[in-house]
Amino acid sequence: QVQLRESGPGLVKASETLSLTCTVSGDFIGTYYWSWIRQPPGKELEWIGYVYYSGSTNYNPSLKSRVTMSVDVSKNQFSLKLSSVTAADTAVYYCARDCPPFAPYGVCYTGAFDIWGQGTLVTVSS
Amino acid sequence: SYVLTQPPSVSVAPGKTASITCGGNNIGSKSVHWYQQRPGQAPVVVMYYNNDRPSGIPERFSGSNSGNTATLTISRVEAGDEADYYCQVWHSDTDHRVFGGGTKLTVL
Repeated sequence: QVQLRESGPGLVKASETLSLTCTVSGDFIGTYYWSWIRQPPGKELEWIGYVYYSGSTNYNPSLKSRVTMSVDVSKNQFSLKLSSVTAADTAVYYCARDCPPFAPYGVCYTGAFDIWGQGTLVTVSS
Repeated sequence: SYVLTQPPSVSVAPGKTASITCGGNNIGSKSVHWYQQRPGQAPVVVMYYNNDRPSGIPERFSGSNSGNTATLTISRVEAGDEADYYCQVWHSDTDHRVFGGGTKLTVL
């Protein structure tokens, strides 16, 4: 049973860098993309980007200038860094397993998030 | 950027049928996935590729996608279906993902 768990500070000061880690258990971090998605309180979901175990990444254009994602295969973890945060970055941050277009047929559905972490609330303070 | 438009809310009586729409330019040519999010919980996928149900999702859930509108239909609605529903598209050219604004389903 694959499980994802987010970890990191729940409070970040404005203008600083938000850092989160997602630990994957029950599956090897290869084969799939690993995405970050966020949801401001009472608002919609927003895809932030994904990282592949090779280290390749793809980011939402609206956040690209501030986002860095990385992966640690030895620890089965992947990470998110979001720089220069403001109050608008206050949100629940989810990590999720994401299906790449080159996944073997029948393994998953391209572009879909089939497993999610429980989410972690990050509040940006002024 | 590609915009997906969902109605903010849909209300339906128990036992009736709910239709939640997702509008987008030529969305019928794209792969659409649907998620259910109950309060305080992470989203759960309820429909893949327009009309493929994950295991564990009741047959009451179905999907369609044509032209500029994708639709998630829930038949014989139950109180437990009350939740927020999000459509999501995968863009094959950029490999980006986009979510709709979400629809709150209220069971009267």
